[in-house]
Amino acid sequence: QKEVEQNSGPLSVPEGAIASLNCTYSDRGSQSFFWYRQYSGKSPELIMFIYSNGDKEDGRFTAQLNKASQYVSLLIRDSQPSDSATYLCAVNQGNTPLVFGKGTRLSVIA
Amino acid sequence: DVKVTQSSRYLVKRTGEKVFLECVQDMDHENMFWYRQDPGLGLRLIYFSYDVKMKEKGDIPEGYSVSREKKERFSLILESASTNQTSMYLCAGFRSGAPNTEAFFGQGTRLTVV
Repeated sequence: QKEVEQNSGPLSVPEGAIASLNCTYSDRGSQSFFWYRQYSGKSPELIMFIYSNGDKEDGRFTAQLNKASQYVSLLIRDSQPSDSATYLCAVNQGNTPLVFGKGTRLSVIA
Repeated sequence: DVKVTQSSRYLVKRTGEKVFLECVQDMDHENMFWYRQDPGLGLRLIYFSYDVKMKEKGDIPEGYSVSREKKERFSLILESASTNQTSMYLCAGFRSGAPNTEAFFGQGTRLTVV
């Protein structure tokens, strides 16, 4: 059974701080890793994908992948109240369906 | 810049009705998926398709079927709606190949069965 684990939270950070969201996965064959943001009542919105070990930066967001440890994380710098949402981690192998974690709820306090 | 479109945002149906949820993607992606999302259970895969007229069962296919007559359209069918199928339904389109770098969702359909 392929599993993706996330801490459900809520994770509370003050405005301007760095939010760190973590995800572990069980399938060593996983090749693509995604972070989605989901606001209440809305569908998931793709923030970033990563498939190589190391860091990938896009604006205030940095995804980090460590395949040896089966670990992927998302850092949000200068957190804003508008970043308050549930963040979903998802993984897959090529064409296989995405397997999702249950998400971490982030709350950024103004 | 719309990539995946679901036909309805909200639906209310009666128990026993046959329900069609439509999904269209304009990304020319081969792979399309239907998930349902429930509080505490996360996203669960119902059915998926890698090509026209092709379908595969996901983790929770019971009570559902799908149709893919054209590449851009993937329909989810509730054969006889029941109250336990009240949920948020999400369609997604994924680009083929590895690594996969494009995976987008539609806006979701919140279905209530009464």
